[in-house]
Amino acid sequence: DTAVSQTPKYLVTQMGNDKSIKCEQNLGHDTMYWYKQDSKKFLKIMFSYNNKELIINETVPNRFSPKSPDKAHLNLHINSLELGDSAVYFCASSQNPGQGTGNTIYFGEGSWLTVV
Amino acid sequence: GQQVMQIPQYQHVQEGEDFTTYCNSSTTLSNIQWYKQRPGGHPVFLIQLVKSGEVKKQKRLTFQFGEAKKNSSLHITATQTTDVGTYFCAGKVGGGSNYKLTFGKGTLLTVNP
Repeated sequence: DTAVSQTPKYLVTQMGNDKSIKCEQNLGHDTMYWYKQDSKKFLKIMFSYNNKELIINETVPNRFSPKSPDKAHLNLHINSLELGDSAVYFCASSQNPGQGTGNTIYFGEGSWLTVV
Repeated sequence: GQQVMQIPQYQHVQEGEDFTTYCNSSTTLSNIQWYKQRPGGHPVFLIQLVKSGEVKKQKRLTFQFGEAKKNSSLHITATQTTDVGTYFCAGKVGGGSNYKLTFGKGTLLTVNP
């Protein structure tokens, strides 16, 4: 069983559309994240949730709206997609940041978003 | 804000040669982690270093954390084609949010068989 699973894996869509990426983790972790990896492979955190509460919002445009219905799920909705949104989006989770190896991050396999 | 700089950006080696990537932070780190991302894959946790001057080994990989906890390195001895990928360091600033690791830009390693 995949520990952190996200869907879809590939998404090609037109500018202006709205799309969602879903993420689920079965590790029992309290914290979940969304990372964006651009074409230069730079990994940048977008959001972090702990027990459904937003902890980190890294100056991401308002078009990006995360939703965490429970601590095992963190979905990402993107409105009015732009060309610059094309990237790989990684969902991730960790157990308990700040305690030993609790902040080890487990990444999903990524969602390749292409905006045309 | 906190920056974690990683060099080199790219490294191409012949199989059997050694490889080292370096990570430097502008501020003292509570800990540092290393991840490996295979081409087309996702980052996978390799190791975490916490103590000043700490050295850890995983088979052919040696990880070091500097005495001042501002730098770290990953050294691979006698590279193999299976070592191909991007290696990222990620650090947390002491006293900063426990939920935020800042990733370096990664070093892409390619190995010529």
